[in-house]
Amino acid sequence: RKEVEQDPGPFNVPEGATVAFNCTYSNSASQSFFWYRQDCRKEPKLLMSVYSSGNEDGRFTAQLNRASQYISLLIRDSKLSDSATYLCVVIRTGANNLFFGTGTRLTVIP
Amino acid sequence: SAVISQKPSRDICQRGTSLTIQCQVDSQVTMMFWYRQQPGQSLTLIATANQGSEATYESGFVIDKFPISRPNLTFSTLTVSNMSPEDSSIYLCSVEGGTYYEQYFGPGTRLTVT
Repeated sequence: RKEVEQDPGPFNVPEGATVAFNCTYSNSASQSFFWYRQDCRKEPKLLMSVYSSGNEDGRFTAQLNRASQYISLLIRDSKLSDSATYLCVVIRTGANNLFFGTGTRLTVIP
Repeated sequence: SAVISQKPSRDICQRGTSLTIQCQVDSQVTMMFWYRQQPGQSLTLIATANQGSEATYESGFVIDKFPISRPNLTFSTLTVSNMSPEDSSIYLCSVEGGTYYEQYFGPGTRLTVT
């Protein structure tokens, strides 16, 4: 089983829509969780860390459910500039490396 | 977050040759990481490079194929040796830099092997 699994999409949504991405992780010892954004032909960039209590940054809300080993990202009022691949990333306790999901591709349509 | 640069940004190489990729950080960091992103795939860790010690390689990656140097706290190199077309990929370095061990990535080196 993969360390991190995501729905690859693609998600095609109109501007202004709300879209949610889900991610599951296999190792219960995972300690840190992130969403990264990767634009075409660019490096991944940290979008937000995911805290146990859930957290919000503007139009973006991240949730963590440790019992279900599940992470989500909600984007409200989608903009054209939100079009990218969103990567779910996990760090396992005792490890330093990031485990990446395969990414979910989002296209926001005018 | 740290500012990370990589050289070269891209290269086209012939089968059987080697390429050394450089990664420079604008601040001192303990750990640097090298990842590979094959076409259409997500990132896979190749190795972790600590200054003053041998790099630690992940399963499926070996030092003979991907030798790494870490001469100081701001610089590292990754060499892709005896290249084959299967090595065509983007190679990225990263550094750790946050409260929750998040990592920040260089712009990547796009390698094509013919």
